[in-house]
Amino acid sequence: GAGVSQSPSNKVTEKGKDVELRCDPISGHTALYWYRQSLGQGLEFLIYFQGNSAPDKSGLPSDRFSAERTGGSVSTLTIQRTQQEDSAVYLCASSGAGLVGDTQYFGPGTRLTVL
Amino acid sequence: AQSVTQLDSHVSVSEGTPVLLRCNYSSSYSPSLFWYVQHPNKGLQLLLKYTSAATLVKGINGFEAEFKKSETSFHLTKPSAHMSDAAEYFCVVSGGYGGATNKLIFGTGTLLAVQP
Repeated sequence: GAGVSQSPSNKVTEKGKDVELRCDPISGHTALYWYRQSLGQGLEFLIYFQGNSAPDKSGLPSDRFSAERTGGSVSTLTIQRTQQEDSAVYLCASSGAGLVGDTQYFGPGTRLTVL
Repeated sequence: AQSVTQLDSHVSVSEGTPVLLRCNYSSSYSPSLFWYVQHPNKGLQLLLKYTSAATLVKGINGFEAEFKKSETSFHLTKPSAHMSDAAEYFCVVSGGYGGATNKLIFGTGTLLAVQP
C-alpha cells in the first residue's frame, strides 16, 4: 500500500514569496501532522488535524504559516512572505485515529530553501 | 509537560559490537515512547514503541528498548551493529493524554557511526 507522500520534494524560493507544500496521507488515516526539521531547532511539531479540523495549531511559528485539510485527506501547508529562517525540511505524518500511542507514519519531506 | 533528553549526540561503534543509545524522558503521566531512525536523505522510520504494555520492547532490525520507570529511561540497544545501522536515531515521547493531541516531541537525535 502507498505510504505518506509529499510534494514537491524540493522547493527553492526567493525571500518574500509564498509557497505551498502538499501532503497526501495514508488512505483512511484521520489524523495528520506537520513537523519541521531544521538545523537550529531540530524536529518540531507545527499543526495537527483530526479530519478537516485543526484542534492543535500551537506549533505554527507565526501568522505567516497556515494549513488546511480538505475531504479528510490531502493537506496543504502555506507559508506566506517566506523568510530565510523558514528554510527547513517540512515533514508530514499520518496516523489511524490520532490516539495517544498511535504510530505516526512519516512522508519523505519537502526541503524548502529560501534564498 | 513531556520532554526527552538524548544523552549522546554522536556514538561510534565497530561493526559487530553492541550498540547503546541513551534516552531519558520526563512526563507527568505514563508516557508513550518511541524510537525513530532516519537514514541519510530518507524519511523517518519507526523502530519500536512503548505504550504501557511489556517494558522490554522489541523492534525491527534487531533493536530493542527497555522502559525503566524508576530511572525515567528508554535506552535503545542492539547486540551487534551492522554497517547499515549507521543513521540518526530519535527518541520521541507522545505529547498528549486523555484525548489531547498526539503530537510527538523529539529528542535532539543521536548520530550513530559504524566503523568496519
